[in-house]
Amino acid sequence: EVQLVESGGGLVKPGGSLRLSCTASGFTFNTYSMNWVRQAPGKGLEWVSSISGSSTYIYYTDSVRGRFTISRDNAENSLFLQMNSLRAEDTAVYHCARGAMRNGFDIWGQGTMVTVSS
Amino acid sequence: QSALTQPASVSGSPGQSITISCTGTSSDVGRYNYVSWYQQHPGKAPKVMIYDVSNRPSGVSNRFSGSKSGNTASLTISGLQAEDESDYYCSSYSSSSTPVVFGGGTKLTVL
Repeated sequence: EVQLVESGGGLVKPGGSLRLSCTASGFTFNTYSMNWVRQAPGKGLEWVSSISGSSTYIYYTDSVRGRFTISRDNAENSLFLQMNSLRAEDTAVYHCARGAMRNGFDIWGQGTMVTVSS
Repeated sequence: QSALTQPASVSGSPGQSITISCTGTSSDVGRYNYVSWYQQHPGKAPKVMIYDVSNRPSGVSNRFSGSKSGNTASLTISGLQAEDESDYYCSSYSSSSTPVVFGGGTKLTVL
């Protein structure tokens, strides 16, 4: 079964750091671009970051550039998001999603909740 | 403020057809044929219903169709069913500094 499972969310103080993980199964991980998409409580979807299969191409939304770092370990079928200097407005469910930015995301994980609060 | 504009809500009766609009600009919807539509039930992960404006992934009902005209894309659901009640989001590839933009979402109510 094709599946994405996120982990690593939790409660963190403003200015703190958190590292999210996404473990993939059921498909050839290194042949797909991967993404992080977040959803603040009661709000819509917001694309956060994308990484190509070989990690050659990396992109971020403006609000996280310089604070978040996306990476992947193809040997471990894993995607990561290192989040530093966290702000209250980063509070959201973070989903990992498979697919190229142009063509939409065909597989999504259930998400992991990140709460930034003092 | 989302980059793409969708109506906050639409409704229809079982068996009817509804259309959800998604308005962008010449930098995203109007420039590329890379519009996707997602269905999201409460507490669940989004599910892609349409990609590349009008393509349906395998397993998605042919009651769902997509189109585009100028800077506006549309999702049409025909033969509405109770299970279609959900939130729907459009997204587009963009030439701006943020290459993927989403709409604010539309809540579909089946009366």
